[in-house]
Amino acid sequence: EIVMTQSPAILSVSPGERATLSCRASQNIFSNIAWFQQKPGQAPRLLLYGASNRASGIPARFSGSGSGTDFTLSISSLQSEDFAFYFCQQYNNWPLTFGGGTKVDIK
Amino acid sequence: QVQLQESGPGLVKPSQTLSLTCSVSGGSINTSDFYWNWIRQHPVKGLEWVGYIYKSGDTYYNPSIKSRPTISLDMSKNQFSLTLTSVTAADTAVYYCARVARIARKWWFDPWGQGTQVTVSS
Repeated sequence: EIVMTQSPAILSVSPGERATLSCRASQNIFSNIAWFQQKPGQAPRLLLYGASNRASGIPARFSGSGSGTDFTLSISSLQSEDFAFYFCQQYNNWPLTFGGGTKVDIK
Repeated sequence: QVQLQESGPGLVKPSQTLSLTCSVSGGSINTSDFYWNWIRQHPVKGLEWVGYIYKSGDTYYNPSIKSRPTISLDMSKNQFSLTLTSVTAADTAVYYCARVARIARKWWFDPWGQGTQVTVSS
């Protein structure tokens, strides 16, 4: 199975600053990666698919890049509602697998 | 807009069977467009896909969980269910249900249910 590795595990950022999260795949997954946001007690929310395509209703401050094995999720100017847990998911091959996640907290 | 909601007991004894149900509203599970999935989130190990079912009853499970899970459909109630036999503490997790499109390489999970905590303890 494809192993997804996220870094860092915790990212401390001040409101208004930029956050950059990474996800690395153990083999080539082309652009077949999605990113999710998760808040306590809530359903995970799809942010991006195809590495860089924003899902419906997702603000433009969320962007993604990368292909092959290295991917990045960027949040251009952190708002209070963006402090949350983020994880990636590859969908190039079954079984579908996830990264371990990054918690973005307030610096 | 499709919504999913998990339900089931929060506490299961070791060696017993865990049973959870996902209720789908705003759309039918009797569709050729989607797979219906179970995912779990361990406190330390993180997220793990458990398996899916299609409207035909065809299923596919994560090889790492071997033969313990069974996913079934109840079309009349627009629900699908997960049973997991011989549970141990390692099965303690938040369990989510989620939908995946059948189109090749559009297999991201969307939407998800809110999740239900299951603890395995005597």
